[in-house]
Amino acid sequence: AQSVAQPEDQVNVAEGNPLTVKCTYSVSGNPYLFWYVQYPNRGLQFLLKYITGDNLVKGSYGFEAEFNKSQTSFHLKKPSALVSDSALYFCAVRDRRDDKIIFGKGTRLHILP
Amino acid sequence: DAEITQSPRHKITETGRQVTLACHQTWNHNNMFWYRQDLGHGLRLIHYSYGVQDTNKGEVSDGYSVSRSNTEDLPLTLESAASSQTSVYFCASSESTSGSGQFFGPGTRLTVL
Repeated sequence: AQSVAQPEDQVNVAEGNPLTVKCTYSVSGNPYLFWYVQYPNRGLQFLLKYITGDNLVKGSYGFEAEFNKSQTSFHLKKPSALVSDSALYFCAVRDRRDDKIIFGKGTRLHILP
Repeated sequence: DAEITQSPRHKITETGRQVTLACHQTWNHNNMFWYRQDLGHGLRLIHYSYGVQDTNKGEVSDGYSVSRSNTEDLPLTLESAASSQTSVYFCASSESTSGSGQFFGPGTRLTVL
């Protein structure tokens, strides 16, 4: 069965520093991978996805993610963090055999001014 | 603009009552999903549908039911509400094509007393 792990419940980063939010996955075959962001009292918003091709995927708000097949990871990154990036981030994986998306438990990102 | 809406946004009910949460999307998506979000668990899939008259059980389907009579709507019913069903519920939809992400509604906060 497919699964997603986000090993950090919370990540603290100073404003202006680079940030990384970790995600590893388990799925049979080649996955579709996603990152979503959730601001307080809001639904999830799509950030970026990996389908195929270039391992470095660029998304909304300056975020990017790197697909690493050998390490089964899909870490979210941003070169310079903003206070407004503070939110809850979810990694998700979709098996190519069906349309279900499985979410990780989320990582709360705090950007410190 | 196309959107996905949920109603009500907040609901307080009593143990044992039947409750229905509405989800309506104007994206014309075939796939629709219901999740619940709880601290420490992330998003867990309750039920999902790949089209009209199609429904499937997700990870935590006990005590919930759905029906899909048209493309736009997937109401979620709690047959006999329990305190363990106090949660935030999110509806989502997606295209049937491979690799598409999901669009999320704003959520319904349900409290069962």
